[in-house]
Amino acid sequence: GAVVSQHPSWVICKSGTSVKIECRSLDFQATTMFWYRQFPKQSLMLMATSNEGSKATYEQGVEKDKFLINHASLTLSTLTVTSAHPEDSSFYICSARGETGVQPQHFGDGTRLSIL
Amino acid sequence: GQQLNQSPQSMFIQEGEDVSMNCTSSSIFNTWLWYKQEPGEGPVLLIALYKAGELTSNGRLTAQFGITRKDSFLNISASIPSDVGIYFCAGQNNNAGNMLTFGGGTRLMVKP
Repeated sequence: GAVVSQHPSWVICKSGTSVKIECRSLDFQATTMFWYRQFPKQSLMLMATSNEGSKATYEQGVEKDKFLINHASLTLSTLTVTSAHPEDSSFYICSARGETGVQPQHFGDGTRLSIL
Repeated sequence: GQQLNQSPQSMFIQEGEDVSMNCTSSSIFNTWLWYKQEPGEGPVLLIALYKAGELTSNGRLTAQFGITRKDSFLNISASIPSDVGIYFCAGQNNNAGNMLTFGGGTRLMVKP
């Protein structure tokens, strides 16, 4: 149980392109989803917390107009990197937690984004 | 953001050896979690700890939630080559939006 699917797993695109990443909880309902960014050989950095039906809460230093988050249902959150540039190249990972009780976060497999 | 102090940063061991890693924090957490991440993949939950003093096993893995709620350790017994990866500890507080605070990771390498 507790499967989180993230798509696509790898994106290569030109500078200026907008890229959408999907995160789905497959076998549970997730009221809260989280988006992380990870640089090589480093730990995960939280970008934003996404609650179903409301605006995402962004961490300090993360541009909300650059990284658009939509959490339209209890099983789907999307991250759109708008007008991506080479410095946005990174490994993006989502996670989701169940809606009842004390639940750990379960992570997707990540999306490697490479901007040329 | 804030990170937990996780040590060691890396370990290079012989197959069959036992491994121990730990995390410490200046803050109290309600939940401690241990994840393993392999290259190009997301972290996979290994063990979740919910009570101070709790000792939990998952196969060859054993983890404990420190009595002070400020630390946790993970032990791996009789390591095998597929144990290779990066192990992250994470602390969670239910009254802080359930956000995770991650350790810096322990990179484990196992020599067959």
